[in-house]
Amino acid sequence: ETGVTQSPTHLIKTRGQQVTLRCSSQSGHNTVSWYQQALGQGPQFIFQYYREEENGRGNFPPRFSGLQFPNYSSELNVNALELDDSALYLCASSLPSGTYEQYFGPGTRLTVT
Amino acid sequence: QKEVEQDPGPLSVPEGAIVSLNCTYSNSAFQYFMWYRQYSRKGPELLMYTYSSGNKEDGRFTAQVDKSSKYISLFIRDSQPSDSATYLCAMSGGSNYKLTFGKGTLLTVNP
Repeated sequence: ETGVTQSPTHLIKTRGQQVTLRCSSQSGHNTVSWYQQALGQGPQFIFQYYREEENGRGNFPPRFSGLQFPNYSSELNVNALELDDSALYLCASSLPSGTYEQYFGPGTRLTVT
Repeated sequence: QKEVEQDPGPLSVPEGAIVSLNCTYSNSAFQYFMWYRQYSRKGPELLMYTYSSGNKEDGRFTAQVDKSSKYISLFIRDSQPSDSATYLCAMSGGSNYKLTFGKGTLLTVNP
């Protein structure tokens, strides 16, 4: 069974640029959630996708957007990057039964300069 | 007041000690409670998952939930240096399965 994978591992962008982060869910999982983890903080919920539709959103501005594909993989897009967007971006997948057990990938570390 | 409060530590114990990690919360809708372990620069790893109040044991780990006090705990027995990591509590309730995390407690187990 393949776990959650994310790409790229690290990314450096300049303020104002746009970035796309990618996630492949664990085999058999159809729900994907994205979280932002600033240094020294717990992860903060960005949004969740279920069957290619957004299924809940946290307190993040519209410049954070996402997609889920028919194979359940997902993308997180961030436009007009700000310095405060520097963080570890985590993707988590969960089982079709909709349990609360979410399994995380290794994350993408984004640095905005 | 934050929905989930967790003492960030750091916590340093000798090998073999019993470790107690705790979180409090304010949202009565939370019914699902989880503990994650996160090694430096890695993604969180699910350790324990509990529904509603009660205890759950898995090897050296015991999770306790007291909904009446809005208080959850994770106990680690016979702690090992490999247990050195940040421990995050997380909880959820409602239909969109959003997890709300504590800040994490940094634990160091010294040989």
